[in-house]
Amino acid sequence: DGGITQSPKYLFRKEGQNVTLSCEQNLNHDAMYWYRQDPGQGLRLIYYSQIVNDFQKGDIAEGYSVSREKKESFPLTVTSAQKNPTAFYLCASSLRGDRGQWGNQPQHFGDGTRLSIL
Amino acid sequence: GESVGLHLPTLSVQEGDNSIINCAYSNSASDYFIWYKQESGKGPQFIIDIRSNMDKRQGQRVTVLLNKTVKHLSLQIAATQPGDSAVYFCAGKSGGSYIPTFGRGTSLIVHP
Repeated sequence: DGGITQSPKYLFRKEGQNVTLSCEQNLNHDAMYWYRQDPGQGLRLIYYSQIVNDFQKGDIAEGYSVSREKKESFPLTVTSAQKNPTAFYLCASSLRGDRGQWGNQPQHFGDGTRLSIL
Repeated sequence: GESVGLHLPTLSVQEGDNSIINCAYSNSASDYFIWYKQESGKGPQFIIDIRSNMDKRQGQRVTVLLNKTVKHLSLQIAATQPGDSAVYFCAGKSGGSYIPTFGRGTSLIVHP
C-alpha cells in the first residue's frame, strides 16, 4: 500500500538542539515538500524538492535545512536557529504534471510530526 | 503571487443536510485548485481538484464549483455525515507557479 510515512509522530526538542524529522514515500513521486502548520493557520512552505540532490527554499526556510539524497526520502532538520519550532510539520509529495509541466497534480500528505520544546 | 482564503472559519450543519464551503482567490491567472480534508491529528487528505478550464467537477458526494468571473470556488458535500467533520482547506496555484497556496481552513461540524 503506497503512501507517505512521517516519523516520529511526536518529538521534543531541548534548547540548542537540532532535531531531524523523517519523511519517506513509496509513491514514486518526483517532488517532495515540507510544510509547517500552526493552530488556525494554513500551511506554510518550508522547503521543496523537484528531483534528487536539488531543493529550494520556501516562504519560511530560516532555521531549517533539508537533504534529498534519495527519491524516496526528504528529511527536515529543525536547527537551534529556529527560535519558535513548536508546530505541526507536514511532508507531502506529488507527481510531475502532464507533459512535464509541474504543479497540476495534487499533493499527498503524511500524517505529520508534532514538535514541541522541552 | 496567489492569495487564497476561506469565507468562514466554522460551519455547523445537521446530519443529512448539504454543506457548502466557500473559498476566494486573488489571482485571475490561477489555473488549478484543490480541496483537502484534515481530521484532527492527521495530514490533509485530497478530496477533489479542478482545473480552470472547467466550471464544475463531481466526485462521490462532493461537487466543486469554480466561478472565474468572481474568483470563487465552493465545495458542496451532499447528505453530510458525522464522519465529514474536519477542517477543509482550499488551495490554488497560479499559472506558471509550481507550488499551491493554501487557505486557512473551515472547520465543518456535523451535529447528529
